[in-house]
Amino acid sequence: DQQVKQNSPSLSVQEGRISILNCDYTNSMFDYFLWYKKYPAEGPTFLISISSIKDKNEDGRFTVFLNKSAKHLSLHIVPSQPGDSAVYFCAAIFGGSQGNLIFGKGTKLSVKP
Amino acid sequence: ETGVTQTPRHLVMGMTNKKSLKCEQHLGHNAMYWYKQSAKKPLELMFVYNFKEQTENNSVPSRFSPECPNSSHLFLHLHTLQPEDSALYLCASSHEGQEVYGYTFGSGTRLTVV
Repeated sequence: DQQVKQNSPSLSVQEGRISILNCDYTNSMFDYFLWYKKYPAEGPTFLISISSIKDKNEDGRFTVFLNKSAKHLSLHIVPSQPGDSAVYFCAAIFGGSQGNLIFGKGTKLSVKP
Repeated sequence: ETGVTQTPRHLVMGMTNKKSLKCEQHLGHNAMYWYKQSAKKPLELMFVYNFKEQTENNSVPSRFSPECPNSSHLFLHLHTLQPEDSALYLCASSHEGQEVYGYTFGSGTRLTVV
């Protein structure tokens, strides 16, 4: 049973508009949620994270929102740029415990000029 | 370059071959991981090494054998693999207490078993 779910395999957005990537989770014990970005032929790179005690974290064009009651988080990219085209993975981890970074299947974002 | 280096980038091997994947990090991290990424599946954790000790083996078949000689190096020895083992194998590292920063991944080894 998947603990971290990304139900949209792909998303297409126009340059300059907002991209919203969604993620749901089942385990209420996760302490941190993370977003990774992956280009073809490269490993995932860390993008932004949020602690389970917060509901929003912002870093430049990227904002992550956490709704604990709904067990849902989302990544907002605004404005979207063609260079943002990549696969985005949602992940969750238990604090103080290594080896439990659990990933979703990813959402492929295409930003069209 | 992320600070985690994996070699080789690509590997084609027959089912009777023996090969090894190598991972190296000089970030001062104290944990290293092997992940497998197959098509249309989430990244799957295979092995965890914490301070050189293997702390997790996620029911991985014995044809995959990890080795961690020190906190900076990690190997994955492969023997008698099956075609369904073809995947992207990713190494990652992290530091205890810094989970908010996630893991640092290498670029991966694209393995094809023929």
